[in-house]
Amino acid sequence: DAKTTQPPSMDCAEGRAANLPCNHSTISGNEYVYWYRQIHSQGPQYIIHGLKNNETNEMASLIITEDRKSSTLILPHATLRDTAVYYCIVRVENDMRFGAGTRLTVKP
Amino acid sequence: DVKVTQSSRYLVKRTGEKVFLECVQDMDHENMFWYRQDPGLGLRLIYFSYDVKMKEKGDIPEGYSVSREKKERFSLILESASTNQTSMYLCASSLPRVGAGAFFGQGTRLTVV
Repeated sequence: DAKTTQPPSMDCAEGRAANLPCNHSTISGNEYVYWYRQIHSQGPQYIIHGLKNNETNEMASLIITEDRKSSTLILPHATLRDTAVYYCIVRVENDMRFGAGTRLTVKP
Repeated sequence: DVKVTQSSRYLVKRTGEKVFLECVQDMDHENMFWYRQDPGLGLRLIYFSYDVKMKEKGDIPEGYSVSREKKERFSLILESASTNQTSMYLCASSLPRVGAGAFFGQGTRLTVV
């Protein structure tokens, strides 16, 4: 079973920040939180990952709560091309299981 | 750039056929994965491999087997294809260490008739 819970869908206005939540209440101390996205008809694309601290790269920011039971992926200025299914997963080394993800629709 | 290549983009097979889906990666990754993706169900892990000749069952291994004879190649085998195996199949690879992102192929859309 997937270890994460995400809302099935969200909308966001173009140019605004998109905040995608993820619950992972059973996460263990050595599991990382990863985010991927899948644009229609393509394979999933890695976005960002983190363990405890907040992380930022050129694509997004990842905010992890202090108890590590939830996290939020932030796309600071969403564009139409960010419309995709976003997956949050927890992972230790070799295993990698996905849930159903959140379908984000960015609207003009 | 890392490249994960799946041998076919679209495939049509008949019920009962033995089907081979091939995946090749060019980055010397130890880990390789096979998923299937169906509407409303997300990506479900079929098998993964963390080394040559090593394999582990994922969540839905029934009806499938895998082969990893070389590090760069991971094959998914449908021993006797059935219509309920019609799906999009995705292969991925990654380094084994935590913190390593995975890279996916473009997928093979298999239709079993």
